Amino acid sequence: GESVGLHLPTLSVQEGDNSIINCAYSNSASDYFIWYKQESGKGPQFIIDIRSNMDKRQGQRVTVLLNKTVKHLSLQIAATQPGDSAVYFCAERGWESGGGADGLTFGKGTHLIIQP
Amino acid sequence: ETGVTQSPTHLIKTRGQQVTLRCSSQSGHNTVSWYQQALGQGPQFIFQYYREEENGRGNFPPRFSGLQFPNYSSELNVNALELDDSALYLCASSLVGLAYREQYFGPGTRLTVT
Repeated sequence: GESVGLHLPTLSVQEGDNSIINCAYSNSASDYFIWYKQESGKGPQFIIDIRSNMDKRQGQRVTVLLNKTVKHLSLQIAATQPGDSAVYFCAERGWESGGGADGLTFGKGTHLIIQP
Repeated sequence: ETGVTQSPTHLIKTRGQQVTLRCSSQSGHNTVSWYQQALGQGPQFIFQYYREEENGRGNFPPRFSGLQFPNYSSELNVNALELDDSALYLCASSLVGLAYREQYFGPGTRLTVT
């Protein structure tokens, strides 16, 4: 089954409002989490990442929160703009062993729709 | 800085055929990972190459194979194509040596198997 999942397949927000996209993960050994944005016809675009030894990280207009107790990850987008319309994926990496594989496990994605 | 590039953009193949997809990693990156993304789904990890060797593999059969070249570019080969292989194939590059090795994706190759 899916190791990483999202609570809602579609999220509709008004332009200018804040958006919160949620993600649940099941692998307690995951040490690194990433949010990606994927626009139609394009590859995933790196937004922000967070390590398991942190609970919050901020970027430009985006904040990622990590709650390891309940294995929950969220992405907050401030002042949502039309260009934020895309599918958002959370991804986790469950292991690291020197030069070992960094295969990411992705959820199914949340489609963020911006209403004018 | 040059981003990740992939070729071709689109490809149509017949069931049973073989296909080769290509990826050039981001400048300075030495590791390449391949993912399969079915329509409406998140990407699924196929395998990763580092120092020209496979360095980890997801739940994909042996007919999915790859290569990495000295310039860090990579190929994904799929033999005996099946209809379910129709998907967007994504390449991501990263740099071993950074603590958490964020991965940057290319635009993908859309493969259709008929």
